[in-house]
Amino acid sequence: GAGVSQSPSNKVTEKGKDVELRCDPISGHTALYWYRQSLGQGLEFLIYFQGNSAPDKSGLPSDRFSAERTGGSVSTLTIQRTQQEDSAVYLCASSSGPYRAETQYFGPGTRLLVL
Amino acid sequence: DQQVKQNSPSLSVQEGRISILNCDYTNSMFDYFLWYKKYPAEGPTFLISISSIKDKNEDGRFTVFLNKSAKHLSLHIVPSQPGDSAVYFCAASDRSGNTGKLIFGQGTTLQVKP
Repeated sequence: GAGVSQSPSNKVTEKGKDVELRCDPISGHTALYWYRQSLGQGLEFLIYFQGNSAPDKSGLPSDRFSAERTGGSVSTLTIQRTQQEDSAVYLCASSSGPYRAETQYFGPGTRLLVL
Repeated sequence: DQQVKQNSPSLSVQEGRISILNCDYTNSMFDYFLWYKKYPAEGPTFLISISSIKDKNEDGRFTVFLNKSAKHLSLHIVPSQPGDSAVYFCAASDRSGNTGKLIFGQGTTLQVKP
């Protein structure tokens, strides 16, 4: 079964480097979400895509964070000039639409460690 | 500004007994609430949800109760099984926003002892 997949599963980088995190949503899902979970914290909303557009970017913590989605499918979250506080698990979720919140299916996450 | 709070970081119960996980929220615009379960190195999986027009929703061993006046919800697991041991997240949504984004609590780690 094709669930939400994310790559890489783990990423270690040096402070100041750029990283790209990838999300492959469930086929046919139009809504895509990025969340992050810092140590000991709950999941924090970052950005929401409907198709290729992002009507809600309110959770992006700074202008070092950006995301895009192409072809209504794959999404990439880019963090520029990484900082140690960016270390977290980055989770992607997809759903068939934004109107039924319970249908968000999560990927396994990318564990990012910034040294 | 933590809009969804789970004040108990951990809970330990004996197999067969009831597990009660609690969650409080502050935003009165929230109208949909969900519980997710998360195992280590996996993404959260949806468990059960409740709309603000209801005060109870039951699905097998899982029941969610909503007290709107207290802005409080709880998840009951009866009977608890060792396989229920995981981190449980409460989440809330304001569906009038039409984005479906979820606001999560910090999570409660449940340990069910055999």
